[in-house]
Amino acid sequence: GESVGLHLPTLSVQEGDNSIINCAYSNSASDYFIWYKQESGKGPQFIIDIRSNMDKRQGQRVTVLLNKTVKHLSLQIAATQPGDSAVYFCADSGGSYIPTFGRGTSLIVHP
Amino acid sequence: DSGVTQTPKHLITATGQRVTLRCSPRSGDLSVYWYQQSLDQGLQFLIQYYNGEERAKGNILERFSAQQFPDLHSELNLSSLELGDSALYFCASSVADRRNANTEAFFGQGTRLTVV
Repeated sequence: GESVGLHLPTLSVQEGDNSIINCAYSNSASDYFIWYKQESGKGPQFIIDIRSNMDKRQGQRVTVLLNKTVKHLSLQIAATQPGDSAVYFCADSGGSYIPTFGRGTSLIVHP
Repeated sequence: DSGVTQTPKHLITATGQRVTLRCSPRSGDLSVYWYQQSLDQGLQFLIQYYNGEERAKGNILERFSAQQFPDLHSELNLSSLELGDSALYFCASSVADRRNANTEAFFGQGTRLTVV
């Protein structure tokens, strides 16, 4: 089976709200995780990454949290905008340097 | 722009045919990955090349093959095409190697293959 998976297939939010997208992984040896955003008709775009020696990393309007105890990570998007509407994937690339993707969560932002 | 170039963007072909998808990685990236994305599916890893050599294989069918050339561009060959092969095919590249495994991959815009 897949080593990474997403809890919800679709997340709908209002513009301006904060969004939280969750991801679980099963490989306890995983030590590197990446969030990608894929807009319709485009390739996945790197958003943020985190290594297993960290539990939090912040970017511009995005924060990734890693909980190694329960093998869970989340992507938080602050003040969600219509342009954030896309499918979000978490990928596990630890050790094997092959990004392995889950199914993705579709984020829909309502104006 | 990720710096990864894929051609063609769209491809329509008949069942039983053979096609070649091309990928030019970012300048300096030695690793190239190929992924398949079917409708409503995630990205399925097919194969990886590193500096011209096959490094890892995923769920790649025997009808599919790939190679990476000395100039580091890569081609994915799909033969005896079936309707179910219709999908988006993405190429990604990264600087990842055994000493620096944890680095992000940059994706091209994909080739949309339609088999009719």
